[in-house]
Amino acid sequence: DAKTTQPPSMDCAEGRAANLPCNHSTISGNEYVYWYRQIHSQGPQYIIHGLKNNETNEMASLIITEDRKSSTLILPHATLRDTAVYYCIVSPSNTGNQFYFGTGTSLTVIP
Amino acid sequence: DSGVTQTPKHLITATGQRVTLRCSPRSGDLSVYWYQQSLDQGLQFLIQYYNGEERAKGNILERFSAQQFPDLHSELNLSSLELGDSALYFCASSTQGGLSDEQFFGPGTRLTVL
Repeated sequence: DAKTTQPPSMDCAEGRAANLPCNHSTISGNEYVYWYRQIHSQGPQYIIHGLKNNETNEMASLIITEDRKSSTLILPHATLRDTAVYYCIVSPSNTGNQFYFGTGTSLTVIP
Repeated sequence: DSGVTQTPKHLITATGQRVTLRCSPRSGDLSVYWYQQSLDQGLQFLIQYYNGEERAKGNILERFSAQQFPDLHSELNLSSLELGDSALYFCASSTQGGLSDEQFFGPGTRLTVL
């Protein structure tokens, strides 16, 4: 299964864009990149996912490099409520699509 | 609100006991996943069901078992509980359980074993 590497922590000023990087150099051709976040001990919240193309939804944008070995999650205008742990996950290409969460990036949005 | 419900919210029990955690998936979702989150292990995948059948197993102990019923709700049974089983247990659901299907997580059950 493809593993991911994320910085353990990041800060971002309120109102600015938060750019969260993720490396997944062993990703296979049919494996998706997913981003989730977890606020305190709440259930992880789905943000966005993609395969090859860049994706955008109401929460964020996902930029995947052409070689698919890394990606960046962009929160365009960070608010205090975006303070959370962000997980980058690569869905395994065997059966089941079970997620393997790493340690994620703890994002702190500063007023 | 993800649409996934879990009961109970909190559970306090003693070592050696058995408990059952319940999960109702989002309407229309056929696949259910169970995850455990403890302080020292992070979020760990336990088991997945699709339309009543077990599809994938992760780091699930033999003392733990699960099933998905015909109405698609799922139960996770934990027996011979140990102090180390204290954790948050999350259920998630997805439409088909495929690689492109996002999982939606419930609010979790916090289990405390004394």
